Amino acid sequence: AQSVTQPDIHITVSEGASLELRCNYSYGATPYLFWYVQSPGQGLQLLLKYFSGDTLVQGIKGFEAEFKRSQSSFNLRKPSVHWSDAAEYFCAVGASNTGKLIFGQGTTLQVKP
Amino acid sequence: KAGVTQTPRYLIKTRGQQVTLSCSPISGHRSVSWYQQTPGQGLQFLFEYFSETQRNKGNFPGRFSGRQFSNSRSEMNVSTLELGDSALYLCASSFGIGGGQETQYFGPGTRLLVL
Repeated sequence: AQSVTQPDIHITVSEGASLELRCNYSYGATPYLFWYVQSPGQGLQLLLKYFSGDTLVQGIKGFEAEFKRSQSSFNLRKPSVHWSDAAEYFCAVGASNTGKLIFGQGTTLQVKP
Repeated sequence: KAGVTQTPRYLIKTRGQQVTLSCSPISGHRSVSWYQQTPGQGLQFLFEYFSETQRNKGNFPGRFSGRQFSNSRSEMNVSTLELGDSALYLCASSFGIGGGQETQYFGPGTRLLVL
């Protein structure tokens, strides 16, 4: 069965520090992978996506993610976190023949001044 | 282009009532998907519509239904509301059939509170 695991429910980092949010997926074929961010009371905003090709993908707001097939991972990174990055982050996998996205449980990022 | 819009943004209902939520996709997008977000269950897929046809349905009871109109706007309906239906309902649109092959763009959601 397809699934997405985000092992860290809550992460706190200091402003200016680097960030890595973990995502592991279970999917039989080549996955279509996404990272979304949700600010309180808001919908989901797409940060980046991986369909194929270069395994390091760049997104908006200075985020990047690396697809590692051998580890079934798609971790999100940012070299220097800003206070405005505090939000909830969701990793998702999309099945190739449905309109369904399977989401992880999310990671809440808190940024310390 | 305007983004995905959802109305209403907030709704309070009582148990047993029914509710209809509306979603207008990005102009030119033909696929609309609905998701329910709760603190306990996270984001769960409800259903997907493409060209007025339901293509996929999640594991929800028959009280949850939806439809899509010829202009791609979509509505979802929940009948006989239960307390557990309190959630943020998110709509997403994509140009094609959605899911793995298309990027889904989300609206701000409708916050439903059932008392």
